[in-house]
Amino acid sequence: DGGITQSPKYLFRKEGQNVTLSCEQNLNHDAMYWYRQDPGQGLRLIYYSQIVNDFQKGDIAEGYSVSREKKESFPLTVTSAQKNPTAFYLCASSTAITSNQPQHFGDGTRLSIL
Amino acid sequence: QKEVEQNSGPLSVPEGAIASLNCTYSDRGSQSFFWYRQYSGKSPELIMFIYSNGDKEDGRFTAQLNKASQYVSLLIRDSQPSDSATYLCAVTEVTGGFKTIFGAGTRLFVKA
Repeated sequence: DGGITQSPKYLFRKEGQNVTLSCEQNLNHDAMYWYRQDPGQGLRLIYYSQIVNDFQKGDIAEGYSVSREKKESFPLTVTSAQKNPTAFYLCASSTAITSNQPQHFGDGTRLSIL
Repeated sequence: QKEVEQNSGPLSVPEGAIASLNCTYSDRGSQSFFWYRQYSGKSPELIMFIYSNGDKEDGRFTAQLNKASQYVSLLIRDSQPSDSATYLCAVTEVTGGFKTIFGAGTRLFVKA
């Protein structure tokens, strides 16, 4: 079955620690995205990538970093510079940024501070 | 600031009734419109998309788009308790580059 796999499902971060959230897709999609969702809030775009080895900052990129070395993979690192990392993180993909096709989401990673 | 706005709710309807969810958007150049359902603690799931003015029906769901008035709505007929969720409206803007903006969502409760 094609889909988007995020891991881990739950993650705990200690003070001063960097943590990496995994996102893998087997949909052959060019575009991938990372969103943050806080309780009762909408989705806020952190980073997106249109193609391998290219990525762009979204609306709230500070304190986060990404890489796109393979088409299938778009990991997100939450750095120690992100002072309020507790949130639900969602990875999504679509055929292309410029298409009118919808984004499809993984199951999400819930990050909390220890 | 480009925006997609939804009434946060909660919208409460009795089982079997029609639930009507509305969304307005600010960018007249928007081309693609999506409705996602998000159950508590879960990720958003695509349920409808619409690109042209008018109605689009899929089972119990109907999406309605009016580009002149810049609104898109979702009707759920014969609402079931299992429809209780948050419904997110998403709009893909073209002006200034392709970008999909998500509304904050409307919480729907269907009472048995």
